[in-house]
Amino acid sequence: DTEVTQTPKHLVMGMTNKKSLKCEQHMGHRAMYWYKQKAKKPPELMFVYSYEKLSINESVPSRFSPECPNSSLLNLHLHALQPEDSALYLCASGLDLAGGSYEQYFGPGTRLTVT
Amino acid sequence: DQQVKQNSPSLSVQEGRISILNCDYTNSMFDYFLWYKKYPAEGPTFLISISSIKDKNEDGRFTVFLNKSAKHLSLHIVPSQPGDSAVYFCAAGVSWNGGSQGNLIFGKGTKLSVKP
Repeated sequence: DTEVTQTPKHLVMGMTNKKSLKCEQHMGHRAMYWYKQKAKKPPELMFVYSYEKLSINESVPSRFSPECPNSSLLNLHLHALQPEDSALYLCASGLDLAGGSYEQYFGPGTRLTVT
Repeated sequence: DQQVKQNSPSLSVQEGRISILNCDYTNSMFDYFLWYKKYPAEGPTFLISISSIKDKNEDGRFTVFLNKSAKHLSLHIVPSQPGDSAVYFCAAGVSWNGGSQGNLIFGKGTKLSVKP
């Protein structure tokens, strides 16, 4: 099973709302990632979690707050977003970083629109 | 500055022929490379990878070639099928032993169209 699930599929939120994106995998992967993808652009890394600890934050604004409550779940909490934050948010997982296998498996993404 | 470049935004190929997708990189620290396929409104699907200790990796119809001296890799699809029509992303990273935390750098993608 190489499935990464993400909910919701689509989300429309106002600039004053608070919402959360959820990601789940049951492949035993210990590295999990959030990427942001704008239209006709490649995915750009936002955060990396390794063994439930944040190991990379790519200078992401504090209105995005990641959380890894356990080894299977990854959340992205959203607050006071701007219209330019509208994008496809992709979650990915992979074997632990020292595992020697570097494939990352992506979920289907959440299409976020900020109004 | 783009570290991973896919200079062809699109490629059109006849069904049954070979599709060759190209990717160049500038960071000599990259030591593993991956190809992903992406359909609209879906996440990228992992296709095939290669580490810098190899120059070729094959999986069914898909073969990736790596030329380290030229900092170039390519994905060959033989024979091409209409279902292969999608956007293909090249990605590169630095292994954990090289000090990486696992982040991938993606190219801008090449849209492949396979015509029946």
